[in-house]
Amino acid sequence: GQSLEQPSEVTAVEGAIVQINCTYQTSGFYGLSWYQQHDGGAPTFFSYNALDGLEETGRFSSFLSRSDSYGYLLLQELQMKDSASYFCAVRSSSNTGKLIFGQGTTLQVKP
Amino acid sequence: NAGVTQTPKFQVLKTGQSMTLQCAQDMNHEYMSWYRQDPGMGLRLIHYSVGAGITDQGEVPNGYNVSRSTTEDFPLRLLSAAPSQTSVYFCASSYSNYGYTFGSGTRLTVV
Repeated sequence: GQSLEQPSEVTAVEGAIVQINCTYQTSGFYGLSWYQQHDGGAPTFFSYNALDGLEETGRFSSFLSRSDSYGYLLLQELQMKDSASYFCAVRSSSNTGKLIFGQGTTLQVKP
Repeated sequence: NAGVTQTPKFQVLKTGQSMTLQCAQDMNHEYMSWYRQDPGMGLRLIHYSVGAGITDQGEVPNGYNVSRSTTEDFPLRLLSAAPSQTSVYFCASSYSNYGYTFGSGTRLTVV
């Protein structure tokens, strides 16, 4: 089976830094993805890590440690518009496109 | 380029009725998937496809059928609707291990 664990809620203030952790258990592993979803909207692709280490894009970074089955999403200089749900997702096979999601972390950014 | 198009956006069904949720993508993506999203449950994979003529079950396939006769279309059929199938349904497509593009969703209520 496959399972992913992430915190259900995180609260932070504007301008702060927040880290959302994700641990996973899968029979195979071909990458950890993050998706963002605003209230009432569709999930949108946010970042992807196939190899260990940090991927940075502007205010956002995503980290992966395959040996620890662990990753995190780091959001810096938080803005009100970053308030959303963030989902980690694992692809457990290289050629099926099968993507399994965690239950999501709701990030609330306060003024 | 419309991306992933889902119809209808909203639907109310009576228990026992059947219906088909439509999904079409114009990006020539090989991978397509159906997810349902319930409060606090994240995105759960119903069925997925790696190409025309090839489908497989996800985490919660019971009560749903799919087919993939063309690359573009991936309809989801509810055989006999039940109140437990009240949910938001998302279709998604991808061409690689990188990231999925989601449709805007179908909000289904079964009474």
